[in-house]
Formats: sequence, structure tokens, C-alpha cells
Amino acid sequence: DADVTQTPRNRITKTGKRIMLECSQTKGHDRMYWYRQDPGLGLRLIYYSFDVKDINKGEISDGYSVSRQAQAKFSLSLESAIPNQTALYFCATSDGPGLYGYTFGSGTRLTVV
Amino acid sequence: QKEVEQDPGPLSVPEGAIVSLNCTYSNSAFQYFMWYRQYSRKGPELLMYTYSSGNKEDGRFTAQVDKSSKYISLFIRDSQPSDSATYLCAMTLTGNQFYFGTGTSLTVIP
Repeated sequence: DADVTQTPRNRITKTGKRIMLECSQTKGHDRMYWYRQDPGLGLRLIYYSFDVKDINKGEISDGYSVSRQAQAKFSLSLESAIPNQTALYFCATSDGPGLYGYTFGSGTRLTVV
Repeated sequence: QKEVEQDPGPLSVPEGAIVSLNCTYSNSAFQYFMWYRQYSRKGPELLMYTYSSGNKEDGRFTAQVDKSSKYISLFIRDSQPSDSATYLCAMTLTGNQFYFGTGTSLTVIP
């Protein structure tokens, strides 16, 4: 089993729909992150959490919300999806500050039509 | 100006060639530097990390940091078709926020 599991792998949804992307990890890491990846823009941080009671906005949090249900689970919600939220979404974890790197999931490819 | 600049390529080389991938950055305070490899339809995986200036070698891979020039490099020796991927650089001051390059697409032709 993968250390960081994201579901679903692919999703097509309509404009205005609410959608949730889920992430679970078996690394035992405290810190979890949500990034989106767009061609030419690279990885951009949406939200991050240093522990269950800690949630922080990243660079591009507008239109998104998150929930840290447990140390191992971190979900990302799009309350009302719009086409420019079409992207590849990655969940990542780190042991402490992540100075030795992140562990990424395999990603969710989201298309909003 | 972006914090981190990386040439997107694509870069295409014959098998066995030496590959040089580079990033420049604007914030002289960055202390930790990483290279990730991302295969198609997969998440990035950490390839190498270095602290401050200098070189670090791991098998066919060498990471180099030149803080005076604000320039980092990843060299791949004896490149293999399995090295075909997108390579992302990343850097941070304290680990609380990382800055990623946009990635360079590499194809190694058998």
C-alpha cells in the first residue's frame, strides 16, 4: 500500500458542485499539505496542517476548505467548483518541517466542466 | 519576479549522456534545497536534498548549490531511459514554506 493515498484518482464534476478530495497516510507524519499543480505554474500550496488542531491557509486558499479528521487524514473541499480549479491536486506529508523533503501522494486529476 | 525559476524544457538527450538541470532563485535566505523527480501520472518523489552551499553525490546524481550566484543544479551521469521524467527543484528557509520550480521535462532516448 502507498504511504500517502489520495482518492479519487480522477474526477470530473460540474461547475457549482461541491466536491471533496481525500488523503490518508501511513507515514505517521504530523504535517500534511494540499498542493495544486498547473502547467507553467508549478506546485502551489493551498492549505497545510501541522497537527489535528492546526489548519493554515497557503498561497491560494480562496475557494477551498480543508478538514483534518485525524493525524492520518486530511481532506480538501471545493465548496462550489469552478472551471479554473481544474488541476492536478497533491496531498503531501512531512516529518517535522520537511527539511528532508515531502512524501507526496499520486494525485487527483480534477476536471470542472 | 518568481521566487524560483526553472527552464521547462523539454530536454531530450541520448542514453548515456550527462544531463544538467538548473534553477535560479531570488531569495538569498534559502538554506535547504531539494530535487524531486515526477513520473507521468505520479506524485513527485524526493531525489536529493542539500543544505547550504556545496555538492552532494548519490550514485549517478549530483546536486550542486551555489549560493553566491543563487543557482542550483542537478547532474545526471550515464542517463538512462528510466530517468525520463519531470524534475522539480524546491527550496526553503525554515521548512514552513517551500518554493517549487515549474519543472523541467527530460526524455532520455535509447
